[in-house]
Amino acid sequence: EAGVAQSPRYKIIEKRQSVAFWCNPISGHATLYWYQQILGQGPKLLIQFQNNGVVDDSQLPKDRFSAERLKGVDSTLKIQPAKLEDSAVYLCAIGNNEKLFFGSGTQLSVL
Amino acid sequence: AQSVTQLGSHVSVSEGALVLLRCNYSSSVPPYLFWYVQYPNQGLQLLLKYTTGATLVKGINGFEAEFKKSETSFHLTKPSAHMSDAAEYFCAVRAGGTSYGKLTFGQGTILTVHP
Repeated sequence: EAGVAQSPRYKIIEKRQSVAFWCNPISGHATLYWYQQILGQGPKLLIQFQNNGVVDDSQLPKDRFSAERLKGVDSTLKIQPAKLEDSAVYLCAIGNNEKLFFGSGTQLSVL
Repeated sequence: AQSVTQLGSHVSVSEGALVLLRCNYSSSVPPYLFWYVQYPNQGLQLLLKYTTGATLVKGINGFEAEFKKSETSFHLTKPSAHMSDAAEYFCAVRAGGTSYGKLTFGQGTILTVHP
């Protein structure tokens, strides 16, 4: 079955610093998603990739967030500069026939 | 636009009791509906989904949900709770015709199971 590895597991930074998260799908899937989950809320979609290309980034704060997917496999999400309100868990997911497989996420704390 | 409201951020039941987690949705088009479960330090896992067809949907671990269009609801139930069911549960909706990963999630319900 499909799986998703994410790193790091935890990250603590100060506001205005930069941070990057990695997503490594264990099995190949054309579609990859990044979600942001703020404490006490459900996950919110940030960006969707189809192979190397961005399909939907309408909810990505593009002034500070960026993402890329190399060779249609691994993906990185970057925040530069970080704000206090960016504290959240960042989830990567891959899709297969109406079923999403989520990684365990990266928990970001911005101080 | 789609939205999901989960009634009750915390639900507590005794082991062996009925589990009922409530979810109401809003969608301008026929919805696809999902329940995901998140155990501590793990990724979200799909419990069950409704796309088309039978409105009573059975999922893993003995859970089921019924799509009621007239009530715009998709409540999750399990006849007898087990200690291992303790987790956070998320209801999600997707508009038909959109990408299958473009889900709108509710805020989640934490289920506690007492011995």
